[in-house]
Amino acid sequence: QKEVEQNSGPLSVPEGAIASLNCTYSDRGSQSFFWYRQYSGKSPELIMFIYSNGDKEDGRFTAQLNKASQYVSLLIRDSQPSDSATYLCAVNPGEGYQKVTFGIGTKLQVIP
Amino acid sequence: EPEVTQTPSHQVTQMGQEVILRCVPISNHLYFYWYRQILGQKVEFLVSFYNNEISEKSEIFDDQFSVERPDGSNFTLKIRSTKLEDSAMYFCASSASNNQPQHFGDGTRLSIL
Repeated sequence: QKEVEQNSGPLSVPEGAIASLNCTYSDRGSQSFFWYRQYSGKSPELIMFIYSNGDKEDGRFTAQLNKASQYVSLLIRDSQPSDSATYLCAVNPGEGYQKVTFGIGTKLQVIP
Repeated sequence: EPEVTQTPSHQVTQMGQEVILRCVPISNHLYFYWYRQILGQKVEFLVSFYNNEISEKSEIFDDQFSVERPDGSNFTLKIRSTKLEDSAMYFCASSASNNQPQHFGDGTRLSIL
Protein backbone atom coordinates (compact mmCIF):
# COMPACT_ATOMS: atom_id res chain seq x y z
CA GLN A 1 0.00 0.00 0.00
CA LYS A 2 1.58 3.26 -1.14
CA GLU A 3 1.06 5.87 1.56
CA VAL A 4 1.45 9.61 1.77
CA GLU A 5 1.52 10.92 5.32
CA GLN A 6 0.82 14.43 6.54
CA ASN A 7 0.02 15.94 9.90
CA SER A 8 -3.60 17.04 9.63
CA GLY A 9 -2.99 20.07 11.88
CA PRO A 10 -4.22 22.67 12.30
CA LEU A 11 -0.95 24.51 11.92
CA SER A 12 -1.34 28.08 13.16
CA VAL A 13 1.14 30.78 12.17
CA PRO A 14 1.00 34.57 12.58
CA GLU A 15 0.62 36.76 9.51
CA GLY A 16 4.00 37.44 7.94
CA ALA A 17 5.65 34.31 9.34
CA ILE A 18 6.97 31.28 7.45
CA ALA A 19 4.66 28.27 7.33
CA SER A 20 6.37 24.89 6.98
CA LEU A 21 4.30 21.95 5.78
CA ASN A 22 5.71 18.44 5.69
CA CYS A 23 4.94 15.19 3.93
CA THR A 24 6.49 11.72 3.86
CA TYR A 25 5.82 8.96 1.35
CA SER A 26 6.35 5.24 1.46
CA ASP A 27 7.17 4.30 -2.15
CA ARG A 28 10.88 4.82 -2.73
CA GLY A 29 10.37 4.73 -6.51
CA SER A 30 8.11 7.79 -6.53
CA GLN A 31 9.12 10.33 -9.12
CA SER A 32 6.74 13.29 -9.13
CA PHE A 33 5.57 15.36 -6.19
CA PHE A 34 2.83 17.96 -6.04
CA TRP A 35 1.40 20.41 -3.59
CA TYR A 36 -2.23 21.42 -3.91
CA ARG A 37 -4.19 23.98 -1.93
CA GLN A 38 -7.82 23.20 -1.11
CA TYR A 39 -10.17 25.75 0.35
CA SER A 40 -13.14 24.33 2.24
CA GLY A 41 -15.72 22.93 -0.17
CA LYS A 42 -13.54 23.64 -3.21
CA SER A 43 -11.36 21.58 -5.52
CA PRO A 44 -7.60 21.03 -5.22
CA GLU A 45 -5.62 23.83 -6.85
CA LEU A 46 -2.06 23.10 -7.97
CA ILE A 47 0.50 25.42 -6.40
CA MET A 48 3.85 23.63 -6.80
CA PHE A 49 5.41 20.54 -8.32
CA ILE A 50 8.92 19.13 -7.97
CA TYR A 51 10.70 16.19 -9.57
CA SER A 52 14.36 16.48 -8.46
CA ASN A 53 16.08 16.58 -5.10
CA GLY A 54 16.61 20.05 -3.71
CA ASP A 55 14.59 23.24 -3.60
CA LYS A 56 12.25 24.82 -6.11
CA GLU A 57 11.01 28.36 -5.55
CA ASP A 58 7.99 30.12 -7.03
CA GLY A 59 7.14 33.48 -5.51
CA ARG A 60 6.41 33.01 -1.80
CA PHE A 61 6.39 29.22 -2.14
CA THR A 62 9.36 26.84 -1.93
CA ALA A 63 9.06 23.09 -2.39
CA GLN A 64 11.83 20.92 -0.98
CA LEU A 65 12.44 17.28 -1.92
CA ASN A 66 14.71 14.73 -0.28
CA LYS A 67 14.27 11.36 -1.98
CA ALA A 68 16.75 9.59 0.31
CA SER A 69 14.60 10.49 3.31
CA GLN A 70 11.34 10.16 1.32
CA TYR A 71 10.36 13.61 2.44
CA VAL A 72 8.85 16.59 0.69
CA SER A 73 7.99 19.94 2.21
CA LEU A 74 6.38 23.24 1.32
CA LEU A 75 7.46 26.57 2.78
CA ILE A 76 5.20 29.59 2.53
CA ARG A 77 6.99 32.86 3.23
CA ASP A 78 5.22 36.01 4.41
CA SER A 79 2.06 34.03 5.18
CA GLN A 80 -1.20 35.85 4.54
CA PRO A 81 -4.69 35.18 5.95
CA SER A 82 -5.71 34.22 2.40
CA ASP A 83 -3.22 31.33 2.61
CA SER A 84 -5.48 29.72 5.23
CA ALA A 85 -6.52 26.45 3.59
CA THR A 86 -5.74 22.75 3.59
CA TYR A 87 -2.51 21.86 1.78
CA LEU A 88 -2.49 18.48 0.08
CA CYS A 89 0.69 16.59 -0.70
CA ALA A 90 0.33 14.31 -3.72
CA VAL A 91 2.78 11.74 -5.09
CA ASN A 92 2.97 9.95 -8.41
CA PRO A 93 4.33 6.44 -7.79
CA GLY A 94 6.51 6.49 -10.86
CA GLU A 95 6.99 4.81 -14.18
CA GLY A 96 3.83 3.27 -15.57
CA TYR A 97 1.48 4.94 -13.11
CA GLN A 98 -0.78 7.85 -13.93
CA LYS A 99 -2.56 8.28 -10.61
CA VAL A 100 -1.41 10.45 -7.78
CA THR A 101 -1.85 9.41 -4.16
CA PHE A 102 -2.92 12.19 -1.82
CA GLY A 103 -2.20 12.76 1.82
CA ILE A 104 -4.97 13.79 4.19
CA GLY A 105 -3.76 17.40 3.99
CA THR A 106 -2.52 19.87 6.59
CA LYS A 107 -4.91 22.61 7.62
CA LEU A 108 -3.07 25.93 7.80
CA GLN A 109 -4.46 28.86 9.76
CA VAL A 110 -2.76 32.24 9.32
CA ILE A 111 -3.65 34.50 12.23
CA PRO A 112 -3.90 38.25 11.39
CA GLU B 1 -6.11 30.22 -18.47
CA PRO B 2 -7.60 26.93 -19.72
CA GLU B 3 -9.55 24.98 -17.12
CA VAL B 4 -11.35 21.71 -16.53
CA THR B 5 -15.12 22.18 -16.36
CA GLN B 6 -17.56 19.83 -14.65
CA THR B 7 -21.34 19.58 -14.73
CA PRO B 8 -23.54 19.51 -12.79
CA SER B 9 -22.11 21.20 -9.70
CA HIS B 10 -24.56 19.31 -7.48
CA GLN B 11 -26.49 16.12 -8.25
CA VAL B 12 -29.10 14.62 -5.95
CA THR B 13 -30.18 11.06 -6.82
CA GLN B 14 -32.23 8.29 -5.26
CA MET B 15 -30.33 5.17 -4.22
CA GLY B 16 -30.29 2.59 -6.98
CA GLN B 17 -30.53 5.16 -9.78
CA GLU B 18 -27.94 5.70 -12.46
CA VAL B 19 -25.99 8.94 -12.54
CA ILE B 20 -23.67 10.45 -15.14
CA LEU B 21 -21.13 13.07 -14.23
CA ARG B 22 -19.68 15.15 -17.02
CA CYS B 23 -16.32 16.78 -17.57
CA VAL B 24 -14.61 18.78 -20.27
CA PRO B 25 -10.84 18.40 -19.82
CA ILE B 26 -8.30 21.00 -20.91
CA SER B 27 -8.24 20.81 -24.69
CA ASN B 28 -4.63 19.81 -25.36
CA HIS B 29 -4.40 17.35 -22.49
CA LEU B 30 -4.17 13.64 -23.21
CA TYR B 31 -4.72 12.03 -19.80
CA PHE B 32 -8.00 12.21 -17.93
CA TYR B 33 -8.84 11.18 -14.40
CA TRP B 34 -11.65 10.84 -11.90
CA TYR B 35 -11.12 11.21 -8.16
CA ARG B 36 -13.56 11.35 -5.31
CA GLN B 37 -13.45 12.90 -1.85
CA ILE B 38 -15.82 11.79 0.86
CA LEU B 39 -16.45 14.61 3.34
CA GLY B 40 -13.51 14.98 5.71
CA GLN B 41 -11.45 12.30 3.98
CA LYS B 42 -8.58 12.07 1.49
CA VAL B 43 -8.89 12.67 -2.22
CA GLU B 44 -9.01 9.14 -3.68
CA PHE B 45 -8.06 8.05 -7.18
CA LEU B 46 -10.74 6.22 -9.15
CA VAL B 47 -9.57 5.85 -12.74
CA SER B 48 -7.29 7.22 -15.43
CA PHE B 49 -8.02 7.24 -19.15
CA TYR B 50 -5.65 7.59 -22.07
CA ASN B 51 -5.91 6.92 -25.78
CA ASN B 52 -9.60 6.01 -25.45
CA GLU B 53 -9.15 3.33 -22.84
CA ILE B 54 -8.77 2.90 -19.11
CA SER B 55 -5.06 2.95 -18.25
CA GLU B 56 -5.31 2.49 -14.50
CA LYS B 57 -8.08 2.00 -11.94
CA SER B 58 -8.38 1.61 -8.18
CA GLU B 59 -10.21 -1.01 -6.11
CA ILE B 60 -13.02 1.52 -5.67
CA PHE B 61 -13.70 1.51 -9.42
CA ASP B 62 -15.76 -1.68 -9.55
CA ASP B 63 -18.33 -2.89 -12.08
CA GLN B 64 -20.78 -0.19 -11.01
CA PHE B 65 -18.51 2.47 -12.48
CA SER B 66 -17.68 3.19 -16.09
CA VAL B 67 -16.02 5.99 -18.02
CA GLU B 68 -16.44 7.14 -21.56
CA ARG B 69 -15.18 9.79 -23.94
CA PRO B 70 -18.22 10.06 -26.17
CA ASP B 71 -16.80 12.80 -28.38
CA GLY B 72 -13.68 14.92 -28.76
CA SER B 73 -14.30 17.06 -25.71
CA ASN B 74 -16.40 15.32 -23.04
CA PHE B 75 -15.30 12.74 -20.49
CA THR B 76 -17.99 11.08 -18.38
CA LEU B 77 -18.23 8.96 -15.25
CA LYS B 78 -21.29 6.73 -14.92
CA ILE B 79 -22.39 5.04 -11.72
CA ARG B 80 -24.90 2.37 -12.65
CA SER B 81 -26.77 1.74 -9.40
CA THR B 82 -25.88 4.30 -6.79
CA LYS B 83 -25.42 3.45 -3.12
CA LEU B 84 -25.53 5.72 -0.08
CA GLU B 85 -21.75 5.41 0.26
CA ASP B 86 -21.27 6.90 -3.22
CA SER B 87 -22.14 10.29 -1.74
CA ALA B 88 -18.99 12.39 -2.22
CA MET B 89 -17.37 15.16 -4.24
CA TYR B 90 -16.25 13.82 -7.59
CA PHE B 91 -13.38 15.60 -9.27
CA CYS B 92 -12.32 15.32 -12.87
CA ALA B 93 -8.71 16.14 -13.70
CA SER B 94 -6.53 16.21 -16.79
CA SER B 95 -2.84 16.38 -17.57
CA ALA B 96 -0.65 16.82 -20.63
CA SER B 97 1.31 13.64 -19.90
CA ASN B 98 1.35 10.91 -17.30
CA ASN B 99 3.69 12.55 -14.78
CA GLN B 100 2.81 16.18 -15.45
CA PRO B 101 0.66 18.08 -12.93
CA GLN B 102 -3.00 17.22 -12.95
CA HIS B 103 -5.44 20.11 -13.09
CA PHE B 104 -8.74 19.66 -11.33
CA GLY B 105 -12.24 20.82 -12.13
CA ASP B 106 -14.51 22.40 -9.53
CA GLY B 107 -16.15 19.05 -8.79
CA THR B 108 -19.64 17.59 -8.66
CA ARG B 109 -21.19 17.09 -5.26
CA LEU B 110 -23.15 13.82 -5.47
CA SER B 111 -25.78 13.25 -2.81
CA ILE B 112 -27.50 9.86 -2.69
CA LEU B 113 -30.80 9.74 -0.80
